[in-house]
Amino acid sequence: SQQGEEDPQALSIQEGENATMNCSYKTSINNLQWYRQNSGRGLVHLILIRSNEREKHSGRLRVTLDTSKKSSSLLITASRAADTASYFCATDNFRGGGADGLTFGKGTHLIIQP
Amino acid sequence: IAGITQAPTSQILAAGRRMTLRCTQDMRHNAMYWYRQDLGLGLRLIHYSNTAGTTGKGEVPDGYSVSRANTDDFPLTLASAVPSQTSVYFCASSDSLRGDTEAFFGQGTRLTVV
Repeated sequence: SQQGEEDPQALSIQEGENATMNCSYKTSINNLQWYRQNSGRGLVHLILIRSNEREKHSGRLRVTLDTSKKSSSLLITASRAADTASYFCATDNFRGGGADGLTFGKGTHLIIQP
Repeated sequence: IAGITQAPTSQILAAGRRMTLRCTQDMRHNAMYWYRQDLGLGLRLIHYSNTAGTTGKGEVPDGYSVSRANTDDFPLTLASAVPSQTSVYFCASSDSLRGDTEAFFGQGTRLTVV
């Protein structure tokens, strides 16, 4: 079953505005990751936050993690038309003995209006 | 820099036929994965492999098989395709031995079973 659920499913904003996407998950995690997918392409990793971290920045991206609420948010500041894509959160539930894959949410489709 | 290469890019397949989706990575990652992506469902893990010679089942393994004869290749086989296997298939890899690391994705194979 899906681990993460993104909210909202779709988001349309004006260029230059900030975009916030949320993700909730169900079980304990080692880390949570955000990926971007442009239409018809593969997923590209954006940022990873470990379970013992609360906030992380990378360029115009800011990710927060609240393990008590099992939720995360991705903030994209000063959005650009090129940010138009689908964004997925993914949890790593690695329990030792080897990686067993990420569990993805259903994604948020972000549209940046020029 | 190739990263992950998937073949074919797309395929139309008659139901009941056998099909192998190819995946090759040149990053010497120990772990490899196969996901399927369906509209509204996000990505779901089919099979994974932590190292050459070992494989494991993901969330939706039925109807699929994999092998990992060496580090670089991780083919996915549909023994007898059914229409419900119509999907976009993504291969990914990660260097999971380094701990918290991201996954790298191929560009996907769009499969239509008719």
